[in-house]
Amino acid sequence: AQTVTQSQPEMSVQEAETVTLSCTYDTSESDYYLFWYKQPPSRQMILVIRQEAYKQQNATENRFSVNFQKAAKSFSLKISDSQLGDAAMYFCAYRSYSGGGADGLTFGKGTHLIIQP
Amino acid sequence: GAGVSQSPSNKVTEKGKDVELRCDPISGHTALYWYRQSLGQGLEFLIYFQGNSAPDKSGLPSDRFSAERTGGSVSTLTIQRTQQEDSAVYLCASSQEAPLEQYFGPGTRLTVT
Repeated sequence: AQTVTQSQPEMSVQEAETVTLSCTYDTSESDYYLFWYKQPPSRQMILVIRQEAYKQQNATENRFSVNFQKAAKSFSLKISDSQLGDAAMYFCAYRSYSGGGADGLTFGKGTHLIIQP
Repeated sequence: GAGVSQSPSNKVTEKGKDVELRCDPISGHTALYWYRQSLGQGLEFLIYFQGNSAPDKSGLPSDRFSAERTGGSVSTLTIQRTQQEDSAVYLCASSQEAPLEQYFGPGTRLTVT
């Protein structure tokens, strides 16, 4: 079974600074997807960014980018120019490529990101 | 367009009662998922529906939990004889096809007293 580990329960960053959230995972599969989801107090899980394991290029979405190290099984999220609206719980998630989706997403425990004004 | 909707938003029930949680996926999405989010266990995958196909129920925590999806659209998660450990936020998600991004609803917070 796959596992996802987020070792930082809480992170704090000054507004406009850059912060990196860590995620490691364990799998024996070679093809899979990795995601970062954001969950504000409203409870709505919002997809931040997606990475396909077969792609060597790191995914980017505006101020959000990832550092995907397949051999190290590491998938960190970098948030540049942090904004107050970025404050939320961030979850790293793994999805098997095979199985037709029957396994769902495997989530880490989450990192609570605090933005200091 | 409209996102995934869930009802009720919050539900308080007495131990031993049955509850039904509803999920309306995004129109056209064939895949539907249920997850449970609790302080102790984090986010757990419960069950997955693909269209009208019979789901794999092995992820459900006990035989008190059941789920159905009618007409390949709306889904209901039913918990019978609720226990205090069932207290959690129940999240529903849908996607166009199974491997693609899942879009989540706002969840139902269930409190069992």
